[in-house]
Amino acid sequence: GAVVSQHPSWVICKSGTSVKIECRSLDFQATTMFWYRQFPKQSLMLMATSNEGSKATYEQGVEKDKFLINHASLTLSTLTVTSAHPEDSSFYICSGGGNIDTQYFGPGTRLTVL
Amino acid sequence: AQSVTQPDIHITVSEGASLELRCNYSYGATPYLFWYVQSPGQGLQLLLKYFSGDTLVQGIKGFEAEFKRSQSSFNLRKPSVHWSDAAEYFCAVGRNNDMRFGAGTRLTVKP
Repeated sequence: GAVVSQHPSWVICKSGTSVKIECRSLDFQATTMFWYRQFPKQSLMLMATSNEGSKATYEQGVEKDKFLINHASLTLSTLTVTSAHPEDSSFYICSGGGNIDTQYFGPGTRLTVL
Repeated sequence: AQSVTQPDIHITVSEGASLELRCNYSYGATPYLFWYVQSPGQGLQLLLKYFSGDTLVQGIKGFEAEFKRSQSSFNLRKPSVHWSDAAEYFCAVGRNNDMRFGAGTRLTVKP
């Protein structure tokens, strides 16, 4: 089946720094990628939808200037958490695929901001 | 408004026993329906999905789910649970790139 990878799998950073998370589709082209955030013992919350070559669409309440998403190619989307703070600590999961019925999820990235 | 409800936060079953995880949804039109499983610190794995047709859907790892339109439900079942099934299970519904997840049900399997 299709594989989506994320890098890094976990990252610890200091408050105020920026962190970039990569999401790659390894054996298929992902015209659309989704970024989710998951707090401990909670469900996934959709943060944004990105389409290759265009600006991401952010869900209500998600700061687009804080969570920068770039979908520069059909196999790579990046999420940059700018000026990270402890409240940004979370598990970030991406998914890729053409449509909702063909989404493949990455293994997730655990971000801890000290 | 679209929503997904998984009434059971945590379920414990004995190994070999049957399992049913509940999922109810509220959606404007009949959405696509999914069940995912997540092991600790891992991403999501698709167990099964329903788009149309036969309302009883077979998935991987011996799981099945039944769509009941009249009850807006999509419950997940397994006749005999294995210790390796212990994980978090998420029901999701969506349409046109809009996917909503339930809060999840944590499954514990007793030996």
